[in-house]
Amino acid sequence: AQSVAQPEDQVNVAEGNPLTVKCTYSVSGNPYLFWYVQYPNRGLQFLLKYITGDNLVKGSYGFEAEFNKSQTSFHLKKPSALVSDSALYFCAVYNYGQNFVFGPGTRLSVLP
Amino acid sequence: GAGVSQTPSNKVTEKGKYVELRCDPISGHTALYWYRQSLGQGPEFLIYFQGTGAADDSGLPNDRFFAVRPEGSVSTLKIQRTERGDSAVYLCASSLMGGADTQYFGPGTRLTVL
Repeated sequence: AQSVAQPEDQVNVAEGNPLTVKCTYSVSGNPYLFWYVQYPNRGLQFLLKYITGDNLVKGSYGFEAEFNKSQTSFHLKKPSALVSDSALYFCAVYNYGQNFVFGPGTRLSVLP
Repeated sequence: GAGVSQTPSNKVTEKGKYVELRCDPISGHTALYWYRQSLGQGPEFLIYFQGTGAADDSGLPNDRFFAVRPEGSVSTLKIQRTERGDSAVYLCASSLMGGADTQYFGPGTRLTVL
């Protein structure tokens, strides 16, 4: 069975500093990995995904994520955080024949 | 273009009542998904449609939950004899062809069962 872990419920970072939101997964075969962001009272918005190829994936709003197969991780990163990045972030995994499985979410707070 | 829309945005009902939640996917998307999101948790898969047929309904918690997509576009999630534990945000998503295609989410319907 597939599973996704986001080991931090909450991440606090000062504006202008780099941010990392962690994600690890468990899946048989080759996974497809996604990051979504959720603002208050809004649906999930797609940020980026890894399918194959370059392990560093660039996405919306300056976010990027690095796929690490040996560590089964797909951490979300941004070089310089903005206050407006404060939101709930979800990692998700997909494998053929299975369904999308989402992690529990990490709340990011960027402090001015 | 228009994104995924869901109606109503909020629904308050009494225990034992029947509710219907509607989802309008992105035009041309053949795949449609329903998820349930409880407070402090990630979306939990309920059902997946490919066209008009339910390709996977393994996430429906019990037979009180049912969903249809009769013309391959709009979908309705139906909950009979609602219980307080059904209270959650119900999210709909669509993707072009299903599989690993990116899913695009609607704003959700917040269901409260009193």
